[in-house]
Amino acid sequence: NAGVTQTPKFQVLKTGQSMTLQCAQDMNHNSMYWYRQDPGMGLRLIYYSASEGTTDKGEVPNGYNVSRLNKREFSLRLESAAPSQTSVYFCASTPRAGSPGPAEAFFGQGTRLTVV
Amino acid sequence: DAKTTQPTSMDCAEGRAANLPCNHSTISGNEYVYWYRQIHSQGPQYIIHGLKNNETNEMASLIITEDRKSSTLILPHATLRDTAVYYCIVRVGVHGSGNTGKLIFGQGTTLQVKP
Repeated sequence: NAGVTQTPKFQVLKTGQSMTLQCAQDMNHNSMYWYRQDPGMGLRLIYYSASEGTTDKGEVPNGYNVSRLNKREFSLRLESAAPSQTSVYFCASTPRAGSPGPAEAFFGQGTRLTVV
Repeated sequence: DAKTTQPTSMDCAEGRAANLPCNHSTISGNEYVYWYRQIHSQGPQYIIHGLKNNETNEMASLIITEDRKSSTLILPHATLRDTAVYYCIVRVGVHGSGNTGKLIFGQGTTLQVKP
């Protein structure tokens, strides 16, 4: 049981380049999330998907797009990377709110992105 | 979604109990209180959650006030490995119109356990 897997773990981009961060979970969770964490700061929600087929903006969605490809996978795309998007990105998954059983979120190990 | 307020930082002596407070005065009746911690730059780790009753597991205890406007996470015998940022979050417990159960993190409390 791998939990939440993020790829890549590290990435350096030039300003203006695009890339997609991948996230997959094998726990049959309905809800998935993308966060960014800047140095010395808490996690800020970029986008989330409450269930397959739905996505919604979080606190800091500008400059990002997401795709909930299927129940397992939730990708985050940077269309034109900017230095301000240098951060650590975390993906997480949870059962849908109100689902029976454990309700905690599981996080991936993060993608460390540097935009130069 | 209710917001939470936590102290920025706290110290605790190794072997002593660490009591981490959290205010969530605008919590709704269907929102649970969750605690997570983040060690160094790893992904956050779930600790415990509760609705209105006090809860205990192998990691910690959660004390929720009767009016549910605040809670305290208790690490009974803190060790150096408990040094981390601790996040208190409220999350809706029932999925429905307007309630998606999204997790919003605040700044958290940096707990430093000292020898």
